[in-house]
Amino acid sequence: AQSVTQPDIHITVSEGASLELRCNYSYGATPYLFWYVQSPGQGLQLLLKYFSGDTLVQGIKGFEAEFKRSQSSFNLRKPSVHWSDAAEYFCAVGAGRTGANNLFFGTGTRLTVIP
Amino acid sequence: DVKVTQSSRYLVKRTGEKVFLECVQDMDHENMFWYRQDPGLGLRLIYFSYDVKMKEKGDIPEGYSVSREKKERFSLILESASTNQTSMYLCAGQGREKLFFGSGTQLSVL
Repeated sequence: AQSVTQPDIHITVSEGASLELRCNYSYGATPYLFWYVQSPGQGLQLLLKYFSGDTLVQGIKGFEAEFKRSQSSFNLRKPSVHWSDAAEYFCAVGAGRTGANNLFFGTGTRLTVIP
Repeated sequence: DVKVTQSSRYLVKRTGEKVFLECVQDMDHENMFWYRQDPGLGLRLIYFSYDVKMKEKGDIPEGYSVSREKKERFSLILESASTNQTSMYLCAGQGREKLFFGSGTQLSVL
């Protein structure tokens, strides 16, 4: 069975600092990996996704993530955080390119940005 | 971009009431989903639908049912609401290899 672990429930960073959100997954087949962001009072928005190919994927809003098969990880990074990045971030693993019919979400990491 | 609209942002219902949560999407895709979101548990799939009048159970279907009479509309039904169904409910539609989410309905069952 698939599972996703986001070990950090809450992270606080200063504006302008770098950010890394951790995600580890467990999946028997080729994983299809996603990062979603949820701003306060909003639904989830896709930041980026990995299906195959280059293990470093670029997303919207200056985010990137690196797939490391040997570590079963798909960590999200941003070199310089903006106050508007404060939100909750969800890692997800799915079966198939959409993953949508069998998408398993982590419990989320809440990001606080301090000025 | 795709737009997914949930009709209510906040709902307050009483135990035992029948509750309808409505979701409408403006794309011509078949797949729609209902999740509930709880602190510390992330998102959990309740039901999904691949086509009109078609439904599949997700991970936590107990206490819920769904209706998909038209492609653009996917309703979540709580036949007899209970306090443990107090939660944030998110509807999603699938398009271009990703999910598009509505803004959510925060349901409180008293």
